Amino acid sequence: GNSVTQMEGPVTLSEEAFLTINCTYTATGYPSLFWYVQYPGEGLQLLLKATKADDKGSNKGFEATYRKETTSFHLEKGSVQVSDSAVYFCALSDKNTGNQFYFGTGTSLTVIP
Amino acid sequence: KAGVTQTPRYLIKTRGQQVTLSCSPISGHRSVSWYQQTPGQGLQFLFEYFSETQRNKGNFPGRFSGRQFSNSRSEMNVSTLELGDSALYLCASSLGTGGLSYNEQFFGPGTRLTVL
Repeated sequence: GNSVTQMEGPVTLSEEAFLTINCTYTATGYPSLFWYVQYPGEGLQLLLKATKADDKGSNKGFEATYRKETTSFHLEKGSVQVSDSAVYFCALSDKNTGNQFYFGTGTSLTVIP
Repeated sequence: KAGVTQTPRYLIKTRGQQVTLSCSPISGHRSVSWYQQTPGQGLQFLFEYFSETQRNKGNFPGRFSGRQFSNSRSEMNVSTLELGDSALYLCASSLGTGGLSYNEQFFGPGTRLTVL
């Protein structure tokens, strides 16, 4: 079946530090991969996406590359800001299972000044 | 363009009661999906409605049900509430047309349900 595993948090970083949040997936077909971000008290917002192998999604300084050989989609940012503090979710969608999204458990990030 | 709206934002119920949550998707979106978010289980898919029909269903008991109206608005109902139903319920809308590409889901702010 389909599933997503992401590194557990919480993660605490100083401002301007480098961020990596690991995400690996299992899928029966050829999924699309996503990173969503959830700020306190809000719903999920799409951060970036990749729909096929070797695609790189990027947004707001965040990047993730769809690696089919390692079934991974790690999220990276070169220099985090306090405003990046949030919970980050890795997710996949497989057209073979319709519009259903499979989410990781989320990684809480706190950036301190 | 207005985003996904969910009402109410907060709800407190007691065990055994039932509850109805509402979701209004983005204009033009025909698919509405519901998710339950809890600290222990994370985000779990409940069901998806497309053009008033349930198209996909997660692994939840029959106490959880939903429907979609002709204007794509959706409701979900939970009957005979249990303490474990306390969660943030998120609704997501998308165009709903599949094909070879994904369907980006846009999430609402959620309804926080507390069962006492």
